[in-house]
Amino acid sequence: NAGVTQTPKFRILKIGQSMTLQCTQDMNHNYMYWYRQDPGMGLKLIYYSVGAGITDKGEVPNGYNVSRSTTEDFPLRLELAAPSQTSVYFCASSYEGGSSGNTIYFGEGSWLTVV
Amino acid sequence: KQEVTQIPAALSVPEGENLVLNCSFTDSAIYNLQWFRQDPGKGLTSLLLIQSSQREQTSGRLNASLDKSSGRSTLYIAASQPGDSATYLCAVNNNDMRFGAGTRLTVKP
Repeated sequence: NAGVTQTPKFRILKIGQSMTLQCTQDMNHNYMYWYRQDPGMGLKLIYYSVGAGITDKGEVPNGYNVSRSTTEDFPLRLELAAPSQTSVYFCASSYEGGSSGNTIYFGEGSWLTVV
Repeated sequence: KQEVTQIPAALSVPEGENLVLNCSFTDSAIYNLQWFRQDPGKGLTSLLLIQSSQREQTSGRLNASLDKSSGRSTLYIAASQPGDSATYLCAVNNNDMRFGAGTRLTVKP
């Protein structure tokens, strides 16, 4: 049981390039999330999904896109990378939404630097 | 808009001490509050979850309390150990999860 797996672990992008952060979970969770964590700050929600085919914006969605074609996968795409997107990105999943009190499981993070 | 604040930002204690980490939030209409641990270069691990109807939760040497009316939660760590060194984050949930910036704890042998 691998839990939540994110790739790549580290990536350096040039300004204007695009890339996709991959996230997959093997726990059959309905809910999946993408967060970013800037130095000394808490996590901020970028996008989330309540099930395959359904996605919604979080607190900081600008400059990102997501899709959820399967229950297991929730990729995050960065279009036209900017220095402000330099951050650590965390994918997470839970069986139900936060109001249910389900445990949320996090991946180990993807460190992205835009230069 | 929900704001979550954690004080102190960093804390250093000698091994064996009992300690308290604080979390405050501005909107008391929450479903639950969670405490997480984050080790350097790693993701977050859930430690304790308190539902809005509960006052506290315990797991081993950890005890978390919730006072929803005053917008406060505390995480009490008893008999601290060097292995407890990590960043501790609280997150409150009212439709989406909002995180504090965390308290970086160092327990010195």
